Amino acid sequence: TAGITQAPTSQILAAGRSMTLRCTQDMRHNAMYWYRQDLGLGLRLIHYSNTAGTTGKGEVPDGYSVSRANTDDFPLTLASAVPSQTSVYFCASSGGANTGELFFGEGSRLTVL
Amino acid sequence: GQNIDQPTEMTATEGAIVQINCTYQTSGFNGLFWYQQHAGEAPTFLSYNVLDGLEEKGRFSSFLSRSKGYSYLLLKELQMKDSASYLCAVMDSNYQLIWGAGTKLIIKP
Repeated sequence: TAGITQAPTSQILAAGRSMTLRCTQDMRHNAMYWYRQDLGLGLRLIHYSNTAGTTGKGEVPDGYSVSRANTDDFPLTLASAVPSQTSVYFCASSGGANTGELFFGEGSRLTVL
Repeated sequence: GQNIDQPTEMTATEGAIVQINCTYQTSGFNGLFWYQQHAGEAPTFLSYNVLDGLEEKGRFSSFLSRSKGYSYLLLKELQMKDSASYLCAVMDSNYQLIWGAGTKLIIKP
């Protein structure tokens, strides 16, 4: 079973360019999340979606946008990348908004130069 | 502010027991979670505590004291494959997960 799939696995991006990180899950989970993970810091929530058609801002939403057109897909877009957005990005899903058992994708390593 | 504290790194010997501590100060409490993350991989769920006490799951156990804002993850009969980072996370009153920076566990033969 695929579970949750992210693409691309890694990407180098020039500052000022736009980029969309893709995330797809096949578990029919209602809630989905985007986190970034930086050395020495805990996972930080960028945006989340409790159910298809709704999204919310997390702890560090600036410079990022998301959409949730259907249950399975939750893309993350950087409209104009900056070097501080260099990070590893994890997409995750859970059966419900109040569930702390998350299933993570393998991550997307993004480098902005 | 909300805060999760755990040691940055620990070293233990294969076959031994290790305890990884986590203390937290959060706005409300709706459960504490432990995740394992091998280098270069995704975090995977290990355990969940919402009531005080010990939850045992094979070689891994997790303890919670809500009055002390304290949890630990106990790993027994350590194996080389247990070398990983262990992440502590607390769900606050808004049902948002607050994550610690993780404890890197190094297992030596």
